[in-house]
Amino acid sequence: DVKVTQSSRYLVKRTGEKVFLECVQDMDHENMFWYRQDPGLGLRLIYFSYDVKMKEKGDIPEGYSVSREKKERFSLILESASTNQTSMYLCASSFWRERGYEQYFGPGTRLTVT
Amino acid sequence: AQKITQTQPGMFVQEKEAVTLDCTYDTSDPSYGLFWYKQPSSGEMIFLIYQGSYDQQNATEGRYSLNFQKARKSANLVISASQLGDSAMYFCAMSPDTGRRALTFGSGTRLQVQP
Repeated sequence: DVKVTQSSRYLVKRTGEKVFLECVQDMDHENMFWYRQDPGLGLRLIYFSYDVKMKEKGDIPEGYSVSREKKERFSLILESASTNQTSMYLCASSFWRERGYEQYFGPGTRLTVT
Repeated sequence: AQKITQTQPGMFVQEKEAVTLDCTYDTSDPSYGLFWYKQPSSGEMIFLIYQGSYDQQNATEGRYSLNFQKARKSANLVISASQLGDSAMYFCAMSPDTGRRALTFGSGTRLQVQP
């Protein structure tokens, strides 16, 4: 089974702190993604990566950056956390198969910025 | 750009009855995939079913079927014989087969199954 793990289930940070959210997948997938989920808005794409050291902006990249130094690991960085970044963050990975680019999700990190 | 619309914020269904969750989409991509995911209160995203845009037949996975009407750009999820464990958020999503491989999600439908 594909496994996507995220470093924390719950995280509480203060405004202005630098925050790292880590994501690791164990199935050698080339594609990795970060989404944030807010009530009534569904999941929105923050950043994604097709390969090591490459990254592409998603639909809401402002206030975030990412790092992919190894194929299995994709990190989301909040340079200076703000209260409007309080949200659920979901990491996913995918590769092409008969079900298109089916994505496998991690358990999510619920981040609260106070 | 792609867009997914789910117009039902919440739905109720009686146990053992069938329910249809609506999903319409918009895209200019010639080839794409449509997905449904379930998110229980625990927060995990569970893949349910996939439909390729060129598939002639509607997809089925156990009690789940996808009613795909390409001309109407709709991809409704049908759950037959609802169970209490089906109570969850359901998201419709799509991704192109080329270019950006990320999923575009709808806003979701919260389904509650009543005994």
